[in-house]
Amino acid sequence: QQQVKQSPQSLIVQKGGISIINCAYENTAFDYFPWYQQFPGKGPALLIAIRPDVSEKKEGRFTISFNKSAKQFSLHIMDSQPGDSATYFCAASGNQFYFGTGTSLTVIP
Amino acid sequence: DSGVTQTPKHLITATGQRVTLRCSPRSGDLSVYWYQQSLDQGLQFLIQYYNGEERAKGNILERFSAQQFPDLHSELNLSSLELGDSALYFCASSVDQFQPQHFGDGTRLSIL
Repeated sequence: QQQVKQSPQSLIVQKGGISIINCAYENTAFDYFPWYQQFPGKGPALLIAIRPDVSEKKEGRFTISFNKSAKQFSLHIMDSQPGDSATYFCAASGNQFYFGTGTSLTVIP
Repeated sequence: DSGVTQTPKHLITATGQRVTLRCSPRSGDLSVYWYQQSLDQGLQFLIQYYNGEERAKGNILERFSAQQFPDLHSELNLSSLELGDSALYFCASSVDQFQPQHFGDGTRLSIL
């Protein structure tokens, strides 16, 4: 059973556009929701994270929107750049980490 | 550089064999996590140790085992290897269970 459902599986965005990746979870005990960015040949790197007591967190061009009642959270990448092309994983944590299946983002110049 | 060191980077072996993957966590991190990443399964949590003790167990097969040593490095042992065990194995570490995890660059295991 997939604890965290992530969509879309792949995403193609024009340079300067907005990339949006969505995740949904079921377990209301989850209390930490990070996003990871992974480049080929590298391990996932923490990008940004949020806790359920806030509805939005912004760091530079990256924003997490969190909807506790809907049990959904999303990553928005503003002004997407070719260097953002990578695989993005959402995750949720309670007593252990559960990762989404990943979204492969391609930003076209 | 995340500060998490995994060795070896690549491992090629045959079915039925046993291998050991090693992980050195970031300085100061007490928790170590092991993950398996394959193309069709994404990142699967295997097991977590905190300061030498097993803290959480995920989808880890009985053929796999792990431990964390007093110096906090960890080893993942995979035995009776099957073709389906071919994957990237990542180690991550954090200060404690509820802090962000920092990943190493993984060990790519290929079973021939």
